[in-house]
This record gives sequence, structure tokens and C-alpha cells, in this order.
Amino acid sequence: EPEVTQTPSHQVTQMGQEVILRCVPISNHLYFYWYRQILGQKVEFLVSFYNNEISEKSEIFDDQFSVERPDGSNFTLKIRSTKLEDSAMYFCASSNDRDTEAFFGQGTRLTVV
Amino acid sequence: AQSVTQPDIHITVSEGASLELRCNYSYGATPYLFWYVQSPGQGLQLLLKYFSGDTLVQGIKGFEAEFKRSQSSFNLRKPSVHWSDAAEYFCAVGQTGANNLFFGTGTRLTVIP
Repeated sequence: EPEVTQTPSHQVTQMGQEVILRCVPISNHLYFYWYRQILGQKVEFLVSFYNNEISEKSEIFDDQFSVERPDGSNFTLKIRSTKLEDSAMYFCASSNDRDTEAFFGQGTRLTVV
Repeated sequence: AQSVTQPDIHITVSEGASLELRCNYSYGATPYLFWYVQSPGQGLQLLLKYFSGDTLVQGIKGFEAEFKRSQSSFNLRKPSVHWSDAAEYFCAVGQTGANNLFFGTGTRLTVIP
């Protein structure tokens, strides 16, 4: 069964460092998403991406965040200068249409120290 | 404002007993509704979804949910719980299938022998 794959599963980074979280969406999907879950809090929408551009973003997704589809298979989330409050589980998701359900990856736990 | 409430933070049931997890939502338009499950160390797996049509929807692993517009609810049910159902369950609502979903805080299910 096709699945969304995220790497690494856990990343520890120092405050102020740049971090890139990687995702391989399901191969025939066209819509891509990042969500995050701070420990003990709700899963929150960050950004959606379609046709090589951001289609929607939340207030969380400020200038320190960026997304990219560098090739035909990867979808990345970059945090330019990490803060302690960026520590969270980050989920990548994909769907083959805007009106169909998302398939989520297993998440990357980011710890900023 | 859009929101999802899962009033039960933690539920414990005996194996073989029936289960109902509650979800109430506040949403301006006709919502797309979802239940996701997260096992330890795993990603978010879609259990079932409601987009339109029959208000009783069937999902995987023997789960079902009923959309009640008058009560703004989408409760998840299972007639007989298995030990492998122990996990965290998330209700989510959105205007489309995958974009900008609003999640509840989750209900942790413990299954005792």
C-alpha cells in the first residue's frame, strides 16, 4: 500500500540553526501539506502546496518557514532559524485531489535545544 | 470560528465492550468530517470520512461514525473493541478533503483485558 514517508523520524537541533524536514508523498498525489503537533496540543495546519506554489498557509507559517518540491518526489519544510517553540511533531500529508482525504506520514519529531 | 471538541481526554474500556468517542464541531459551512487514529510511533491513519450523503459512514477496522447536523456531532463507534484498538483518536473538520483541517485534541483509548 502506498504511503507517505518522512525522514528523519527524530531530529535534534540547536536554537538558531536551520533545519530541513523531508517527505516523500504518495507518487501520484498532487497536493501536499504540512501539519504540526506541539506536545499535548492539537494538530495544526501549516501550509498546503500545489502546482509548485503555496496555495494556503496558516498564521503559524511565518517568514522563517518555507516549503519546496526540489524534484519529482520530495517535499521539504525548512525552518530557517529554529526557536524552542518550534519543538513539535511535524506531519507531512498528500492527496490526489483537493476534495479527497489526506494521507499522513508517520511524522518527524523536532526537538530544539 | 472553526473548532473541534473532543470532550473525553482518556477513555478506558474492556476488550469486547462497545465504544463511542465523542466529537463536536463548530464550522461555518457544510463540513468535511474525519476520524484519524494514531498508534504509538505511527502517523495519522484515516479511519473514516464524511463528505456528503448517508450520514452513517463505515470505516476501516469495524469503526463507524454518524453525522448529526442538528447536534454538530460526528461520534465514532465500534460495537466490540479489540486490544489492538488502543491508540489516540482524532476528529477533524475541514472545508475540503485535506486542506486546512481543524483537529480536536484527541482521545486516548486504553483497552483492558
